[in-house]
Amino acid sequence: GDSVTQMEGPVTLSEEAFLTINCTYTATGYPSLFWYVQYPGEGLQLLLKATKADDKGSNKGFEATYRKETTSFHLEKGSVQVSDSAVYFCALSDGGGADGLTFGKGTHLIIQP
Amino acid sequence: DTGVSQDPRHKITKRGQNVTFRCDPISEHNRLYWYRQTLGQGPEFLTYFQNEAQLEKSRLLSDRFSAERPKGSFSTLEIQRTEQGDSAMYLCASSNRQGNTEAFFGQGTRLTVV
Repeated sequence: GDSVTQMEGPVTLSEEAFLTINCTYTATGYPSLFWYVQYPGEGLQLLLKATKADDKGSNKGFEATYRKETTSFHLEKGSVQVSDSAVYFCALSDGGGADGLTFGKGTHLIIQP
Repeated sequence: DTGVSQDPRHKITKRGQNVTFRCDPISEHNRLYWYRQTLGQGPEFLTYFQNEAQLEKSRLLSDRFSAERPKGSFSTLEIQRTEQGDSAMYLCASSNRQGNTEAFFGQGTRLTVV
């Protein structure tokens, strides 16, 4: 079945550091890929998405490129802020009947001033 | 507020009791999903409705769990004879069409079974 693997956390960085959170997936067919973010005390929010190979999703300075050859969708940001501290989830949707999401376990990001 | 709304936000119950959660999706969304999230894990898909029809159920959804969406609007998730292992965050999400469309999540109902 479908699965998503993302790097374990917590990841602790200093403000203005470069961020990479790795995500790889296993799926049949051609899934859509997503990054969701969960800020403390809030619900999951879509951060960005990509629906086909080589697409780049971007939002709020975050980027991720759909790499079919390496089955990856790594999240990057050039300069993180304290306000980026949150839990980040990589997810896929295989477009099947339910079109539900398969999530990774989440990566807790902590940005220190 | 036009987001996905879940009620209650927190529920503490004794083992063996029944509990029911409610989800109000975004009004024009015809798809509604339930997920369960335990500590340190990502959300896991439980079940899905398109309008009032429940079209798919995960094997995670034991026969103690039942979900309804009677008029294709709000949905309820009932857990009968709760067990400690049912303690989790129950998330509801909605979207408006198949494939590649953003699912909007509610803030969840945190269930604690004591």
